[in-house]
Amino acid sequence: LAKTTQPISMDSYEGQEVNITCSHNNIATNDYITWYQQFPSQGPRFIIQGYKTKVTNEVASLFIPADRKSSTLSLPRVSLSDTAVYYCLVGDVGDSSYKLIFGSGTRLLVRP
Amino acid sequence: GAVVSQHPSWVICKSGTSVKIECRSLDFQATTMFWYRQFPKQSLMLMATSNEGSKATYEQGVEKDKFLINHASLTLSTLTVTSAHPEDSSFYICSARGAGATDTQYFGPGTRLTVL
Repeated sequence: LAKTTQPISMDSYEGQEVNITCSHNNIATNDYITWYQQFPSQGPRFIIQGYKTKVTNEVASLFIPADRKSSTLSLPRVSLSDTAVYYCLVGDVGDSSYKLIFGSGTRLLVRP
Repeated sequence: GAVVSQHPSWVICKSGTSVKIECRSLDFQATTMFWYRQFPKQSLMLMATSNEGSKATYEQGVEKDKFLINHASLTLSTLTVTSAHPEDSSFYICSARGAGATDTQYFGPGTRLTVL
């Protein structure tokens, strides 16, 4: 499993765009990149998943450079309710034995 | 999106009793389900992986006789904490994935277990 590295914490203000970068130097050919959001005392919530270039959905964008050794989760115009822990995970989602191993995540604090 | 439920959402029990937690995939068939535990301010720790109709695979350091996992159908997995002790108090979270080529995992809301 590819090891991921992401900042322990980040601060932002309401209305700003937040970019959280995750490093995964050992990503394998079949690996996908998946981001989850977790609020206190709740299960993680799937945000976005991608393989290369750019993926966008209604809540976030995921930018993946050509070498795929890193990825950036972009949250446009954050609000106070985006304060949470964000996890980046890398693995072969097509492998039936694939299991998510969570790192420490990035604790995002959005201030008024 | 796919929905995973857990029951109960919280439970308080006496030391020495057993507690069963249910995890259900509500709108898809889950070929694989996972169980995690999470202590305050820490990340999720994978406990075991279960595939429908077969025995669970436990992570290193997780006692299989302590944490019994059953995955009897494609929509239901159960975790039974046997002879619970205060150190078993934690937040238990399940997740489920389908059988598609790029199926992601969806998580339940978690169960808070407190052992007195």
